[in-house]
Amino acid sequence: GNSVTQMEGPVTLSEEAFLTINCTYTATGYPSLFWYVQYPGEGLQLLLKATKADDKGSNKGFEATYRKETTSFHLEKGSVQVSDSAVYFCALGPGDKIIFGKGTRLHILP
Amino acid sequence: GAGVSQSPSNKVTEKGKDVELRCDPISGHTALYWYRQSLGQGLEFLIYFQGNSAPDKSGLPSDRFSAERTGGSVSTLTIQRTQQEDSAVYLCASSGLAGRYYEQYFGPGTRLTVT
Repeated sequence: GNSVTQMEGPVTLSEEAFLTINCTYTATGYPSLFWYVQYPGEGLQLLLKATKADDKGSNKGFEATYRKETTSFHLEKGSVQVSDSAVYFCALGPGDKIIFGKGTRLHILP
Repeated sequence: GAGVSQSPSNKVTEKGKDVELRCDPISGHTALYWYRQSLGQGLEFLIYFQGNSAPDKSGLPSDRFSAERTGGSVSTLTIQRTQQEDSAVYLCASSGLAGRYYEQYFGPGTRLTVT
């Protein structure tokens, strides 16, 4: 069946550091891929998405490229800020339901 | 337009009591999901409704959990004989069929505390 695996956290970085959160998936067909973010005390919200191979999703300085050859959708940001501290979820769809990874908690130190 | 709403936002109940959690999806969305998020844990899928199809109940942890969706819109998640391990944030999401996007829109959640 479909599944998503993302790196375990917590990930702790200093402000302005480069961020990578790894996400790999197993799926049949041509899934869409998503990153959701949950800021402290808030609900989940969509951060970015990509619907076909080689698409790059981007938002708020974050990027992720849909790599079918490596079945990956790694999240990257060139210079993180304290305000990026949150839990990040990689997710896979479509299908009869979207599959979420377990989440990666990110702490950014000033 | 209005997003997904959930009520109550917080619920404290005694062990053994039944609780009902409500979700109002975005108007027109055909798919509705319930998840559970325990402290420090990821999202645990509970149940999924899609249109008039039979719901996917594969994530319900026990027969104490049930959900219904009336008229293809509002959904209620019921937990009978609550236990302390049921304490969590219960999230509802909805999505509409828009090509291959299937983006889920989440409600703010209901924080359930079983004492």
